[in-house]
Formats: sequence, C-alpha cells, structure tokens
Amino acid sequence: KNQVEQSPQPLIILEGKNCTLQCNYTVSPFSNLRWYKQDTGRGPVSLTIMTFSENTKSNGRYTATLDADTKQSSLHITASQLSDSASYICVVKDYGQNFVFGPGTRLSVLP
Amino acid sequence: GAGVSQTPSNKVTEKGKYVELRCDPISGHTALYWYRQSLGQGPEFLIYFQGTGAADDSGLPNDRFFAVRPEGSVSTLKIQRTERGDSAVYLCASSPRQDSYNEQFFGPGTRLTVL
Repeated sequence: KNQVEQSPQPLIILEGKNCTLQCNYTVSPFSNLRWYKQDTGRGPVSLTIMTFSENTKSNGRYTATLDADTKQSSLHITASQLSDSASYICVVKDYGQNFVFGPGTRLSVLP
Repeated sequence: GAGVSQTPSNKVTEKGKYVELRCDPISGHTALYWYRQSLGQGPEFLIYFQGTGAADDSGLPNDRFFAVRPEGSVSTLKIQRTERGDSAVYLCASSPRQDSYNEQFFGPGTRLTVL
C-alpha cells in the first residue's frame, strides 16, 4: 500500500534554532517528492520538488534531501523564524497522477 | 488574480442538504484536482480532471459526491444529502499539463461544516 509517514509530530522549537523534519514513503513507482508548507487556514504552498536523481535541493532557508534507496526525505529549516510556524507536508508522486500525502508535521516556532 | 480561488470560503449547512463548492484554477492550467482535508491530517485525494473529463475519480467516497468541469476551466464539487462526516476543508489545486514536475498550485480551500 502506498503510504507516506512523517515525524516528529508535533515539533516545537525556539526562534533562531534549526530543525529537521523527516518523511518516509513506500510509494512505487516513484516519480518525485515534494515538500509543502501549509499555514493555518490556507492551502499548501510548494517549497521543493525533487526527482529520483536529485539528492539535495534548497529554497532559501529550506533544504530538502532525498535518499531514493532508503525511501527517506528530510526538510531542514535553518535559523527558524516565527513565520515558519505551519504544517509541513511531504507528498510523493508516482508515474501517473497519484499524489500520496503525508499527515504533515505541525511546527511551532516560539519567541 | 493569478492564483487558484475557491468559493465560498466557508459553508455551513444542515445534514441532508445539497452543497456546491466552486474552484477557479489558474488560467491555462489543464489539470485540476480536488482534495478533502480533515483537521490535523494531510489532504485526501478525491478526483482529478484533465481538461473537461474526470481522468480519475477513484477518491470520491460514495455516489453522493460528484464533480464537473464542463468547459475545462471552473470546476464544481457537488455533495448531495450531506452528512456530518462530510465536514472538512475541501481543497482544489491546478497544474499546467506541460510542467514535467506537475507542480500543483492550491487554493485556500472551502471549509464545509455540516450540522
């Protein structure tokens, strides 16, 4: 069964600290993996999209890694800001139009 | 606007009533997706359109749910005989067919509450 699991759940950190969110998946055949940020009451917004051949991709203070062999991905946030408080959703796409969403990690950045 | 829009933003209805939720995708995007998101969960796939046709409706939970996209742009999700369990945020996303990454652009969602 295609599944995406995320950890930790939830995550609370202090402003300025770094953190890493984890994603494990069993989706096959794999096409790409995305990380979304979803603010409360808003739709998800794409942070990164990674294909099989990409190990690392950065978007500002966000850096995503992908290990297609172990089917794991991480999202590292550097120098966290209060505005980083949101849910971060890992999504894995197969070769068709099947997008499998994880439950999200709820991140709270405290002053 | 340049983004995906959804109306209404909030909908409160009574059990057994009929509701329609509207999605305006980004102009020129041929792919359109509907998802349902319960509190604290990730979005759950409902239906996918490529142009005017429903390419995959395997996520619709039962025959009370139906969606249309008659002109290949605006889509309407229709729910008949609503039940309390239908309460959720309904998200719409669109994607340009030519994008090899099939990046999805989400709307803000419609929060449906069935009393």
